[in-house]
Amino acid sequence: GQQVQQSPASLVLQEGENAELQCNFSSTATQLQWFYQSPGGSLVSLLSNPSGTKHTGRLTSTTVTKERRSSLHISSSQTTDSGTYLCAIDDNYAQGLTFGLGTRVSVFP
Amino acid sequence: GALVYQYPRRTICKSGTSMRMECQAVGFQATSVAWYRQSPQKTFELIALSTVNSAIKYEQNFTQEKFPISHPNLSFSSMTVLNAYLEDRGLYLCGARETGGYEQYFGPGTRLTVL
Repeated sequence: GQQVQQSPASLVLQEGENAELQCNFSSTATQLQWFYQSPGGSLVSLLSNPSGTKHTGRLTSTTVTKERRSSLHISSSQTTDSGTYLCAIDDNYAQGLTFGLGTRVSVFP
Repeated sequence: GALVYQYPRRTICKSGTSMRMECQAVGFQATSVAWYRQSPQKTFELIALSTVNSAIKYEQNFTQEKFPISHPNLSFSSMTVLNAYLEDRGLYLCGARETGGYEQYFGPGTRLTVL
């Protein structure tokens, strides 16, 4: 089945620094979503990006479908960005998402 | 906009008892609903995918006998955790998608604690 690998497992940033999170997957993705999970546990969908580049606020996602990888770039990090970032793939349209283990981001002032 | 509500947000049950959780889609028609579980210190696992007018598809390690799901219309789904034990602890999410839709919309989750 689909495997989703995220790196790094954790990341420590000083406020204002940029960060790049990676997601590699084993099968062609018909859908790819990046999520943010707060320390309290709630899940927020950040971007849906199966191919190309998308932006929202300080976030940019670039997915290279042929190479089965996606990245999430956080610019000018803030302490409120702390949490876990999850990449999730659907490799057979509308069959449910496979989640990676996530990257835990800690931003300090 | 598309919203998904889940109820209850938190629940505690005794070991061996059952717990029902609900998922409500607002602002769109939830043709398919996927249920996920995040066990402590782990990532989300797909439990089952329910599509209106189709059979519910359970993933390996999850069964209808343990996690019966109801998806009676395009705005509501429920799942019950039968005979809950410690290993069933975690955050249960529902993700809903509309016909032809691309993105899954997620609810805030139901956090289950088993004593």
